[in-house]
Amino acid sequence: DTGVSQNPRHKITKRGQNVTFRCDPISEHNRLYWYRQTLGQGPEFLTYFQNEAQLEKSRLLSDRFSAERPKGSFSTLEIQRTEQGDSAMYLCASSVTTGGFGETQYFGPGTRLLVL
Amino acid sequence: AQTVTQSQPEMSVQEAETVTLSCTYDTSESDYYLFWYKQPPSRQMILVIRQEAYKQQNATENRFSVNFQKAAKSFSLKISDSQLGDAAMYFCAYRGIQGAQKLVFGQGTRLTINP
Repeated sequence: DTGVSQNPRHKITKRGQNVTFRCDPISEHNRLYWYRQTLGQGPEFLTYFQNEAQLEKSRLLSDRFSAERPKGSFSTLEIQRTEQGDSAMYLCASSVTTGGFGETQYFGPGTRLLVL
Repeated sequence: AQTVTQSQPEMSVQEAETVTLSCTYDTSESDYYLFWYKQPPSRQMILVIRQEAYKQQNATENRFSVNFQKAAKSFSLKISDSQLGDAAMYFCAYRGIQGAQKLVFGQGTRLTINP
């Protein structure tokens, strides 16, 4: 168990460019979450996958955002035509369905995005 | 929609002393989970402690314990014998049992440990 990993850890881009982030969950974790955290705030939910199916998206996830989880393993989050307001830490978390209520989400180190 | 409120943006405590971080939440659900996560500077978020709403007994994990008051919708974290390594942002979070079971976080409390 190597934990949740995210790449890149930091990304600086110019406004209008597209960026893509990757998340590798803990092996065998079937649930994967993306959150966004702005400076000084708690993380906010963006979207959720169970296996390869994207089952819920927040209203925060505008049309410029798209997420995928092919084959139910790693996930990518793409932001098209980035805006300065997209600058934030993007966190990925994974968990495994236990059949009860006792799931714990384990977080990756995050990708910090700065849009100039 | 559920909300989580942490009314203390910053707290400080002397090393080896005890500190309590406050959290209140709002929900219409009867079953749910509550969590405290710790986020050290430039490091990833880690789980400190969790509480199942259906359990009356307060959760404890070594030096960390909670005071869960379901009727008051209050969930405070007590850190005993504070250590320098406890310095971090602490987030209170709520998770329902339906749907995505996403975490709803509070704004966080920055804890400073004074040597």
